Amino acid sequence: DAMVIQNPRYQVTQFGKPVTLSCSQTLNHNVMYWYQQKSSQAPKLLFHYYDKDFNNEADTPDNFQSRRPNTSFCFLDIRSPGLGDAAMYLCATSRVPADSYNEQFFGPGTRLTVL
Amino acid sequence: AQTVTQSQPEMSVQEAETVTLSCTYDTSESDYYLFWYKQPPSRQMILVIRQEAYKQQNATENRFSVNFQKAAKSFSLKISDSQLGDAAMYFCAYRFKGRRALTFGSGTRLQVQP
Repeated sequence: DAMVIQNPRYQVTQFGKPVTLSCSQTLNHNVMYWYQQKSSQAPKLLFHYYDKDFNNEADTPDNFQSRRPNTSFCFLDIRSPGLGDAAMYLCATSRVPADSYNEQFFGPGTRLTVL
Repeated sequence: AQTVTQSQPEMSVQEAETVTLSCTYDTSESDYYLFWYKQPPSRQMILVIRQEAYKQQNATENRFSVNFQKAAKSFSLKISDSQLGDAAMYFCAYRFKGRRALTFGSGTRLQVQP
């Protein structure tokens, strides 16, 4: 089945130690998103790629970076994780530009713990 | 800035009964989309139902329907004949036409009692 895959599902890192989260998709969608979801809160968009065009949200800290080497893969890099970065990180994709429903398909998320 | 408010952090419903989850939003835009997403425990978020702002008719998907009141900026979700599998966190979301990002509400955790 076509899907959005996130690896790993659980990630533990140490304070200040760089970490990379991975997302892949078999849907061939041209848009990929990264959301941060803290406990009992709404998912918050960090940034998204439309093909190779990177779109950063204004309030996303510089500590968060992203790479999209090809259509299928997108990575979230946290350069120096702090305790406040512990959260669920959701990857999502969508197929069409913004003038339609543009349904987003979500992966299962990676839960990041920072020690 | 657009905001989405879900005023019910938790709701409970008996199996086979009907429950309504509330959502209000604030926007100055006239053309936008509204969504309800379901996030089961430890599983991915999936789309339940969607509505275009310019469509007067309320969307329906099987047991799920919405009550869209554009003037009141209200978008509630009604779940009929509730099933145990409906237990999940439900997020209301807004997207302005022309922008790809979703703005989510804080969610409502729905429990279904057997």
